Amino acid sequence: NAGVTQTPKFRVLKTGQSMTLLCAQDMNHEYMYWYRQDPGMGLRLIHYSVGEGTTAKGEVPDGYNVSRLKKQNFLLGLESAAPSQTSVYFCASSQGLLSHEQYFGPGTRLTVT
Amino acid sequence: AQSVAQPEDQVNVAEGNPLTVKCTYSVSGNPYLFWYVQYPNRGLQFLLKYITGDNLVKGSYGFEAEFNKSQTSFHLKKPSALVSDSALYFCAVRDGNSGGYQKVTFGTGTKLQVIP
Repeated sequence: NAGVTQTPKFRVLKTGQSMTLLCAQDMNHEYMYWYRQDPGMGLRLIHYSVGEGTTAKGEVPDGYNVSRLKKQNFLLGLESAAPSQTSVYFCASSQGLLSHEQYFGPGTRLTVT
Repeated sequence: AQSVAQPEDQVNVAEGNPLTVKCTYSVSGNPYLFWYVQYPNRGLQFLLKYITGDNLVKGSYGFEAEFNKSQTSFHLKKPSALVSDSALYFCAVRDGNSGGYQKVTFGTGTKLQVIP
């Protein structure tokens, strides 16, 4: 059981470049999330999904897009990277009930120059 | 709007001493409360949660937390700290009364340093 995996682990982009971060979970969870973690700001929700084929905006969605074509995968895209998107990105998943905890991936450290 | 406050950026404690990491919350309905731990260069790991029932919740690695409704607090505690407990700790809250999806709000984190 791998849990939640993320690829890549590290990436450096130039301003204006695009990239996709991949998240995969093998726990058959319904809910999946993308967060960004910045110093002193905790975790902020970018986008989330409550099931295959559905996505919704979180607190800080601007500049990001997501897709959930398969239940086990949740992709986060940056169409035109900006230095403000330099951050550590975490994917998480949880079962459908509100009381369930989230399981996090190891993170992707993204630097935009 | 729901919110979580972790008033201490860092807590230092000597190995073997009891530790407390503080958390207060604000939510309109019944709170679902969580503690997570993050070790360097790793994702968050779930420690424990309060949903309903006994106010004292026990979790992983000997940690426990006490839910206090009147003080809207959910402090994390451990009777005897270990050097390996040194990490970043996050408190989180969700509104359990709302229908449909309700997001989890995380605190800004408290760095725990256990001194040998």
